[in-house]
Amino acid sequence: AQSVSQHNHHVILSEAASLELGCNYSYGGTVNLFWYVQYPGQHLQLLLKYFSGDPLVKGIKGFEAEFIKSKFSFNLRKPSVQWSDTAEYFCAVKGTGGFKTIFGAGTRLFVKA
Amino acid sequence: SQTIHQWPATLVQPVGSPLSLECTVEGTSNPNLYWYRQAAGRGLQLLFYSVGIGQISSEVPQNLSASRPQDRQFILSSKKLLLSDSGFYLCAGTGPNTGELFFGEGSRLTVL
Repeated sequence: AQSVSQHNHHVILSEAASLELGCNYSYGGTVNLFWYVQYPGQHLQLLLKYFSGDPLVKGIKGFEAEFIKSKFSFNLRKPSVQWSDTAEYFCAVKGTGGFKTIFGAGTRLFVKA
Repeated sequence: SQTIHQWPATLVQPVGSPLSLECTVEGTSNPNLYWYRQAAGRGLQLLFYSVGIGQISSEVPQNLSASRPQDRQFILSSKKLLLSDSGFYLCAGTGPNTGELFFGEGSRLTVL
């Protein structure tokens, strides 16, 4: 069965610190991978996605993620966080050609100004 | 662009009462549609999905049901609510050939 594991449930950083949020998935086939973000008071929105090709993908607001197939991982990174990055981040996986997107439990990031 | 409208935004219902949450989609045709429940610290749990009118797949046996009477309409229902049905419900859809989800703003249900 598909599953997604996010390593940290809560992360607190100071502005300008670097960010890495871990995500591992379990799925017996090729996958599409996503990071979604939910800012306070807003609905979930796509941050970035990997379908194929270059395993290093770039998203909005300076975020990037690297797909490492051998480790079943899709970690999210940002070199220097801002206060406005305070949000909850969700890793998600969908089997290629499938219909279901499965989400991790989410990581709440708080950035101190 | 694709937009999901979801209502009501907030609902307080007594145990044993019926439920109807509605979701409509704009900006795309023939979307795949989904109902998720979001719980703090537990991410999003997929409840139902639909790939077309009248086609419903259930992921979790429970007290809820879903229907898709029109291409761009998706309804979450219950005949008799339980306390455990309280939660935050999200409707989502995928555009053609993209695979990424776009979400509504959610409906918070409190069952008393």
